[in-house]
Amino acid sequence: DTGVSQDPRHKITKRGQNVTFRCDPISEHNRLYWYRQTLGQGPEFLTYFQNEAQLEKSRLLSDRFSAERPKGSFSTLEIQRTEQGDSAMYLCASSQSRQGADTQYFGPGTRLTVL
Amino acid sequence: SQKIEQNSEALNIQEGKTATLTCNYTNYSPAYLQWYRQDPGRGPVFLLLIRENEKEKRKERLKVTFDTTLKQSLFHITASQPADSATYLCAPDTGFQKLVFGTGTRLLVSP
Repeated sequence: DTGVSQDPRHKITKRGQNVTFRCDPISEHNRLYWYRQTLGQGPEFLTYFQNEAQLEKSRLLSDRFSAERPKGSFSTLEIQRTEQGDSAMYLCASSQSRQGADTQYFGPGTRLTVL
Repeated sequence: SQKIEQNSEALNIQEGKTATLTCNYTNYSPAYLQWYRQDPGRGPVFLLLIRENEKEKRKERLKVTFDTTLKQSLFHITASQPADSATYLCAPDTGFQKLVFGTGTRLLVSP
């Protein structure tokens, strides 16, 4: 257990529905990341926050995706009008910013299945 | 464009042998490189970080090398055990906070 928690662990939804995932990072970490991982691939970056500011978004993140970190603590990732191609594992990670290397601690992930 | 290559085929070895996994990268010069372990259905777990001015880093049975001329990192597990079976991901520094991972290499250690 890395100390990063995600909820739910599994989500099955029908195409067109909206889903929201939550991530609780390690409490003293100011950076929070979202990644998406499909079978046989490494995790792909989606977006990241430093405190409550969203500093970078991947081109993978279409308009249907939105992420928030309202008080610089937990974060939510919402997918609107889900598509079958959104089926993947959604991973959250957190880190404490420091000069140089940024070692990230990952949560267990939320596995999304869109029917 | 930046590219990270790890052997996509699974590596099968016998318990007690040394496993060696390769990470090659092209078109950039990372200041450091990280290795993560991922078990099925779980998030990656950080193992080791090696910086460009370090040729080798060790942690218990793990050893990582970093050759900036060859643009390659090797990850070794000595005296491998079935519990070492997992997917191992490398993530060279990109100059940004986000991690960019290779596809990972699956290691299978048989008793």
